[in-house]
Amino acid sequence: AQSVTQPDIHITVSEGASLELRCNYSYGATPYLFWYVQSPGQGLQLLLKYFSGDTLVQGIKGFEAEFKRSQSSFNLRKPSVHWSDAAEYFCAVGPYSSASKIIFGSGTRLSIRP
Amino acid sequence: DVKVTQSSRYLVKRTGEKVFLECVQDMDHENMFWYRQDPGLGLRLIYFSYDVKMKEKGDIPEGYSVSREKKERFSLILESTSTNQTSMYLCASSFPSGGGIEETQYFGPGTRLLVL
Repeated sequence: AQSVTQPDIHITVSEGASLELRCNYSYGATPYLFWYVQSPGQGLQLLLKYFSGDTLVQGIKGFEAEFKRSQSSFNLRKPSVHWSDAAEYFCAVGPYSSASKIIFGSGTRLSIRP
Repeated sequence: DVKVTQSSRYLVKRTGEKVFLECVQDMDHENMFWYRQDPGLGLRLIYFSYDVKMKEKGDIPEGYSVSREKKERFSLILESTSTNQTSMYLCASSFPSGGGIEETQYFGPGTRLLVL
């Protein structure tokens, strides 16, 4: 069955430090993979997505993610975080079933230490 | 830019009341989705629709129904609210399944519903 695991519920990093958010998935074929960000009280915004090709994907706001098939992972990275990056981050995988449904992880909340 | 709007940002209702949550998208997307979001559970799919008047149950449809009379509009209906339906409700839309960019879902800002 398809599933997505984000093992870290809450992460705190210092402003200017590097960031890596973990995502592991279970999927029967080559997946489509997504990272979304949700600022407090807002909807979800797409950061980046992987469909095929280069396994290192660049997104908005200076984020990138690397698809590692052997590890079933799609970790999100940023070399230097800013206070405005404080938000909740969701990894997602799909599609499943006959429609464009995707499965979301439970999210990782990122806090930034001044 | 894709725009998905939701009729209300915040709602407070009493147990047993009927609630309509409306979602409108302006990108001519065939697919539309309703999720609820609860702390520690991520997003869970309630219902989705892949065409006008077409709908399918998601993972947690109990206590909800939907309506899609026009392509751009997808409504979530709570016939008789209960306190366990207090949640954040998110609407999304996308192009049909077919690989590539079509799989991206675009989200509205959400409706936070409190049932007393």
